[in-house]
Amino acid sequence: EPEVTQTPSHQVTQMGQEVILRCVPISNHLYFYWYRQILGQKVEFLVSFYNNEISEKSEIFDDQFSVERPDGSNFTLKIRSTKLEDSAMYFCASSLGGKLFFGSGTQLSVL
Amino acid sequence: AQKVTQAQTEISVVEKEDVTLDCVYETRDTTYYLFWYKQPPSGELVFLIRRNSFDEQNEISGRYSWNFQKSTSSFNFTITASQVVDSAVYFCALRGGETSGSRLTFGEGTQLTVNP
Repeated sequence: EPEVTQTPSHQVTQMGQEVILRCVPISNHLYFYWYRQILGQKVEFLVSFYNNEISEKSEIFDDQFSVERPDGSNFTLKIRSTKLEDSAMYFCASSLGGKLFFGSGTQLSVL
Repeated sequence: AQKVTQAQTEISVVEKEDVTLDCVYETRDTTYYLFWYKQPPSGELVFLIRRNSFDEQNEISGRYSWNFQKSTSSFNFTITASQVVDSAVYFCALRGGETSGSRLTFGEGTQLTVNP
């Protein structure tokens, strides 16, 4: 079965540094998403992306965050200047408009 | 605003017992979708089921079954004859239609532990 691929699986960074989390969605999907899960908490929506632009974003997705689809296959989440509270598991997801398929996540640790 | 409530934080059962995970939702949309995801200890989110608001038929898939009751805004999940491999966190989620965009709103999750 096709799957969403995320790299790296773990990322450790210093506070204030920029990080880029990478995702390869399922190839024929049209909608792309980032979610995050702080340890022990629920999964929270960050942003959705369709037709090469952001279609919806949450209040968490402030100016420190950006997304990009630089080519036909990758979908990235950039955090410009990381804070301690950005430590979380970040999930990428894609869909054709129905069922969301999630990647295995990137565990981001900000020290 | 959308909201999903999973009142059971943790459930512990012995293998072969049946277990029901509760999910109650709130939405102003008339068209919406409900989901269940499983998150095993390895951390990934595994899709289990999606139902739309117009389809109230209960569904069974092997040992899993889902009871959608629109009148009580509930979408409960039952595992029959539970197994140790069912141990995971289970999330109920809601995606609205007209007013809520495409985002999934997740519940807090229920940690299910199945003991041998």
